[in-house]
Amino acid sequence: GDSVTQMEGPVTLSEEAFLTINCTYTATGYPSLFWYVQYPGEGLQLLLKATKADDKGSNKGFEATYRKETTSFHLEKGSVQVSDSAVYFCALQYSNYQLIWGAGTKLIIKP
Amino acid sequence: GAVVSQHPSWVICKSGTSVKIECRSLDFQATTMFWYRQFPKQSLMLMATSNEGSKATYEQGVEKDKFLINHASLTLSTLTVTSAHPEDSSFYICSAFGGGENIQYFGAGTRLSVL
Repeated sequence: GDSVTQMEGPVTLSEEAFLTINCTYTATGYPSLFWYVQYPGEGLQLLLKATKADDKGSNKGFEATYRKETTSFHLEKGSVQVSDSAVYFCALQYSNYQLIWGAGTKLIIKP
Repeated sequence: GAVVSQHPSWVICKSGTSVKIECRSLDFQATTMFWYRQFPKQSLMLMATSNEGSKATYEQGVEKDKFLINHASLTLSTLTVTSAHPEDSSFYICSAFGGGENIQYFGAGTRLSVL
């Protein structure tokens, strides 16, 4: 079945470092891909999305490109801040609107 | 963007009592709402899909008599945890689908602690 695999965390970086969180997926069709972020004690916020191959989603300095050839949607940011510390979830969605989630990757940014 | 309000954000109750959690879409109509449960340091587990005016569709292993879902209007869905027990303690999150885009908007979550 369809699935999403994320790199295990926690990922610990220093402020201003470059961030990559890997996400790969298996899908029988052509889903939309999402990154959601969850700050401590809160619900989930949509960070960015891409609806088709080669689309690039971007928001708040984060980017991810929908790569069909490698079935990936890696999250990147050029210079992280302490406030980026959170758990990041990669997910895919079909037209029935249900989301298939990755396990989440905890990101810790040290000043 | 679209806003989903979830209430309460935190509730403590005694074992055997029932707890109701509300999920409201504030500025859009949500034909479909989802209820998730999240265990510590884990991903979200979909519990049920709720469509306005019809019975909820529960995921395998979720007791529908234990977790009652009502979606009486296009802006409100409720989850009632009946006869709660300590093992029901968890973080419950709702989401609403709509607002003109094909994405789910999430509430802030409800932390339930059953004593």
